[in-house]
Amino acid sequence: EAQVTQNPRYLITVTGKKLTVTCSQNMNHEYMSWYRQDPGLGLRQIYYSMNVEVTDKGDVPEGYKVSRKEKRNFPLILESPSPNQTSLYFCASRKGLGSVNTDTQYFGPGTRLTVL
Amino acid sequence: AQSVTQLGSHVSVSEGALVLLRCNYSSSVPPYLFWYVQYPNQGLQLLLKYTSAATLVKGINGFEAEFKKSETSFHLTKPSAHMSDAAEYFCAVIYNQGGKLIFGQGTELSVKP
Repeated sequence: EAQVTQNPRYLITVTGKKLTVTCSQNMNHEYMSWYRQDPGLGLRQIYYSMNVEVTDKGDVPEGYKVSRKEKRNFPLILESPSPNQTSLYFCASRKGLGSVNTDTQYFGPGTRLTVL
Repeated sequence: AQSVTQLGSHVSVSEGALVLLRCNYSSSVPPYLFWYVQYPNQGLQLLLKYTSAATLVKGINGFEAEFKKSETSFHLTKPSAHMSDAAEYFCAVIYNQGGKLIFGQGTELSVKP
């Protein structure tokens, strides 16, 4: 089954304690991205990756890091989480950027992060 | 800045009534347009997409949307609401091929029995 998986689904942590949210897709997609969802703001892109070892900032990258060492994985790293990073996070993947007409962006189930 | 606007953060309809969720984009060049649905505690699922073919696009679960260039709109409709349609709906656009997906603020749909 084609899917994007994220772990953990729920996480409560404290300010300053480094954490990683994993994301994995089994569709051999080139393009992956991270979003955060906040009430009234919709989804905002944090980082994206067009392929292995190619990453770039989205709209709200401050406080986040990513890596893309393998095609299937795209972890989101919070080196020193703060309460304003409390949010619902989604990982997504898409085949590539050259065929928007047929590409569908697939979303993971979400990770609800609370930073105390 | 290029954006997409959803009018109404909350819409409430009765079961069996027409569903109309509004979406407007901000470009003179028609973008690629999408509607996603998010059921409680789940990720986003694609309902339908417009990619410059037919202006009336049919999606899953009986939803459809019509692209109107003159109004820069892509409103989502369903003739008869079901209780299972209660969810949050997001309009999203890509303004150039290969560009990023930009989301609207979301509209929460409630369906009353």
